[in-house]
Amino acid sequence: NAGVTQTPKFQVLKTGQSMTLQCAQDMNHNSMYWYRQDPGMGLRLIYYSASEGTTDKGEVPNGYNVSRLNKREFSLRLESAAPSQTSVYFCASSEALPRSGGPSYNEQFFGPGTRLTVL
Amino acid sequence: AQTVTQSQPEMSVQEAETVTLSCTYDTSENNYYLFWYKQPPSRQMILVIRQEAYKQQNATENRFSVNFQKAAKSFSLKISDSQLGDTAMYFCARTGANNLFFGTGTRLTVIP
Repeated sequence: NAGVTQTPKFQVLKTGQSMTLQCAQDMNHNSMYWYRQDPGMGLRLIYYSASEGTTDKGEVPNGYNVSRLNKREFSLRLESAAPSQTSVYFCASSEALPRSGGPSYNEQFFGPGTRLTVL
Repeated sequence: AQTVTQSQPEMSVQEAETVTLSCTYDTSENNYYLFWYKQPPSRQMILVIRQEAYKQQNATENRFSVNFQKAAKSFSLKISDSQLGDTAMYFCARTGANNLFFGTGTRLTVIP
């Protein structure tokens, strides 16, 4: 099993360019997530998908769109990149949404990250 | 605000010694999960240990253990017999309604 894979690993864009970050998981997980990691800050949720066909905004969704293409794949699109979107982007997946208070929790598995620089 | 705070941006420890990383959090929920993730220079996020808030017993995983104080909303990580491979960023995290809330991280350096 490859786990969670992300492409590309590195990308440099000019302001205003668009691009799509790809994420795929082979663990048959229902839920998938996109986070960004900025210096001096922890990971912050951009969007998540509880199951195939559904997507919802996270903490910092502005400037991004997502597509849950199928159960395996969850892509993140920057329509018009801005320098403020320079960051490291992580995709993650889990069997189900994290539930506080429930007897079970399913671990989130992370991809290796994509380092994006917007000039 | 439901936040996770790590007040130690950087720490160092001699190889084979013990080090404790601090984490406090805020939540209005009674039951939740807490985690410590390790991020080595490879950037991969690796789950080190997790604690279920409704369990009073502190979690342990080999050389890693936690001190969970629910009333104080405190969740510290103790690393015993530190090894060079423990050098990494460590993030504390807490479950929210639909995601994880992360602290800002502590950069740990193990000195030979």
